[in-house]
Amino acid sequence: DIQMTQSPSTLSASVGDRVTITCRASQSISSWLAWYQQKAGKAPKLLIYKASNLESGVPSRFRGSGSGTEFTLTISSLQPDDFATYYCQQYGSYLYTFGQGTKLEIK
Amino acid sequence: QITLKESGPTLVKPTQTLTLTCTFSGFSLTTSGVGVGWIRQPPGKALEWLALIYWDDDKRYSPSLKNRLTITKDTSKNQVVLTMTNVDPVDTATYFCAHRSGEAFDYWGQGTLVTVSS
Repeated sequence: DIQMTQSPSTLSASVGDRVTITCRASQSISSWLAWYQQKAGKAPKLLIYKASNLESGVPSRFRGSGSGTEFTLTISSLQPDDFATYYCQQYGSYLYTFGQGTKLEIK
Repeated sequence: QITLKESGPTLVKPTQTLTLTCTFSGFSLTTSGVGVGWIRQPPGKALEWLALIYWDDDKRYSPSLKNRLTITKDTSKNQVVLTMTNVDPVDTATYFCAHRSGEAFDYWGQGTLVTVSS
C-alpha cells in the first residue's frame, strides 16, 4: 500500500503569509496527487488535481507542485477564509490514500 | 449540476451490518470514466478512502477493509450502495460519497454520521 505523509500536522500563520504544506508518498505516484481543503463540519473541497492543476473556481493563490514522491501545496497570501485543514490524496494502482491532514491555524 | 447525498442509519450495534446509500444526480454511472467512491472520517480524525465503483462495474476496495466491504450500483435509481459487515465502535465516522473525476473526487455529499454503539 502507498502511504502518504503530510507535514507539518499543524501550522500557525497570519493573514497575508505565504505557507507551504508538504506531502510525501512512500513510492512514486507520478503526478497522481490531489489536494483538498476541509472546514469543520463540511465535506472536503477539491483544490488541486494531478499535482499542479487548479480546480475550476479555486483562487490562484493556491498552487500545487511536485512529482514522484514529494509534493507541495503553497498558499501565496493567506486570506481569512483559508484557515482550515488540508489533505493530500494519492491515486496509485487503482487505489486511493489520504494524508493525515494539516491544520492551518491563525497565529 | 452534480449533487450527491448519503443516507442510512445513524446508529448501528456492534457486529451488525451497515448499509449506506448514495443517491446522486447530474451525471450517469453508465458514462465511460465515471466513478463514485466512499470516504469516511472518524470524529476529529483524517479522511480514509473505503471503496470505489466504476461505470463498467469495476470495484476497488481499501486493502485494510476489503474483507468487510461491498460496493454496488443501481444505475436505474442513480444510487451506489456500500455495505460494511461486522461493525465495531471504531467504525464510528462521518461517511461521505463522492464523484470521481480522473484521480480526484470533485463533488462530495454532505456526509452522514454513523455511530456504532450498543
